[in-house]
Amino acid sequence: EDKVVQSPLSLVVHEGDTVTLNCSYEVTNFRSLLWYKQEKKAPTFLFMLTSSGIEKKSGRLSSILDKKELFSILNITATQTGDSAVYLCAVEDTRNTGKLIFGQGTTLQVKP
Amino acid sequence: KAGVTQTPRYLIKTRGQQVTLSCSPISGHRSVSWYQQTPGQGLQFLFEYFSETQRNKGNFPGRFSGRQFSNSRSEMNVSTLELGDSALYLCASSQDRPPHIATNEKLFFGSGTQLSVL
Repeated sequence: EDKVVQSPLSLVVHEGDTVTLNCSYEVTNFRSLLWYKQEKKAPTFLFMLTSSGIEKKSGRLSSILDKKELFSILNITATQTGDSAVYLCAVEDTRNTGKLIFGQGTTLQVKP
Repeated sequence: KAGVTQTPRYLIKTRGQQVTLSCSPISGHRSVSWYQQTPGQGLQFLFEYFSETQRNKGNFPGRFSGRQFSNSRSEMNVSTLELGDSALYLCASSQDRPPHIATNEKLFFGSGTQLSVL
């Protein structure tokens, strides 16, 4: 059965810290891996990764995919209180359009 | 450009009742997917519609059903509600793409309908 596992499930850091969130997957027909940020209700898109070893960056956030070892990491540098949210990792397979397999999410709390 | 709109935002029902949730996708988006989010299970895929046809379905009982209209708006229905159906129901829309081509498309989520079953 396809699955996505995120770690840690929760994390508390102080402003300015750097955090690394992990996502491992077992999906037979991998197409892409996506990261979302969920602050209240609607998850918002962060990154989509399809190729190994290519880092995607957006400001203080970056992410990279390792298709050989079947994992991805999301890095957040110089964290701010506004980064507090649930970070969701999801994988899409080639057979099922519109279906994402989500991990449990990592709840990040950034303290001032 | 308006985002994905879900109504109602909150809903309280009792066991045995049925409920209908609505989702209006982003203009021009033809695919609508539904997800259930609970603290214990995370986000789980319910079904996906495109051009009024269900293209994909998750592992949920037949009490969960949906449909899509010609204007791409979608509704999902849950009949004979159970306590365990209490959850945040999220709708997501995207433009259609060939299944064999990886593109930079992504799903756009609505703010969800929080359903409480008492």
